[in-house]
Amino acid sequence: EVQLVESGGGLVQPGGSLRLSCAASGFTFSDHWMSWVRQAPGKGLEWVASIKNDGSETVHVDSVRGRFTISRDNVRNSLCLQMNSLRAEDTAVYYCVRDRAWYSFDYWGQGTPVSVSS
Amino acid sequence: QSALTQPASVSGSPGQSITISCTGSSSDVIDHKYVSWYQQHPGKAPKLIIYEVSNRPSGVSNRFSGSKSGNTASLTLSGLQGEDEADYYCSSWAVSGPVFGGGTKLTVL
Repeated sequence: EVQLVESGGGLVQPGGSLRLSCAASGFTFSDHWMSWVRQAPGKGLEWVASIKNDGSETVHVDSVRGRFTISRDNVRNSLCLQMNSLRAEDTAVYYCVRDRAWYSFDYWGQGTPVSVSS
Repeated sequence: QSALTQPASVSGSPGQSITISCTGSSSDVIDHKYVSWYQQHPGKAPKLIIYEVSNRPSGVSNRFSGSKSGNTASLTLSGLQGEDEADYYCSSWAVSGPVFGGGTKLTVL
């Protein structure tokens, strides 16, 4: 059974940092691109970042580029999102997702909430 | 503003069919076969229900179907049931990363 379990969310002040983690199991992690998708309270889905299966390529949405960094460890089957210089508009539930192909996300974690507030 | 436009809400009675549209703001946003649809119930993670315009993942009801014409993709749900009440999102592959529609709230009357 495919499982994606996020951790690391919480309350942080503007300008602060958080590191989200996602533990993957039940599939061959190194075979899949992985991504983070977020959802602000009461709002729709927004793609944040993706990383190639071997970690050699990353893509970030414009609004987080230079502040967030996606990474992965194919030995530990884990995905991370380092978030720096956090802003109020980064407040959202962050989902770890598996890419079946061409950015169609077939498995989602339960999400971890991030709140940026003073 | 999202590059994909969906109606904010649709509704239907049990047993009826509904269609949700997803229109790209430019032809290149959706001018390929890599369109997906997701269902999200309140408080839950989204679930993939359609990929590559019209394909259903294993375990997804065949009451869900997808299609595309020009720069508009559509999700059709037939034989509406109460459990179908949820938010639905379309998504499209793009070179710079996927884009999502704003979401459509389906109400089963």
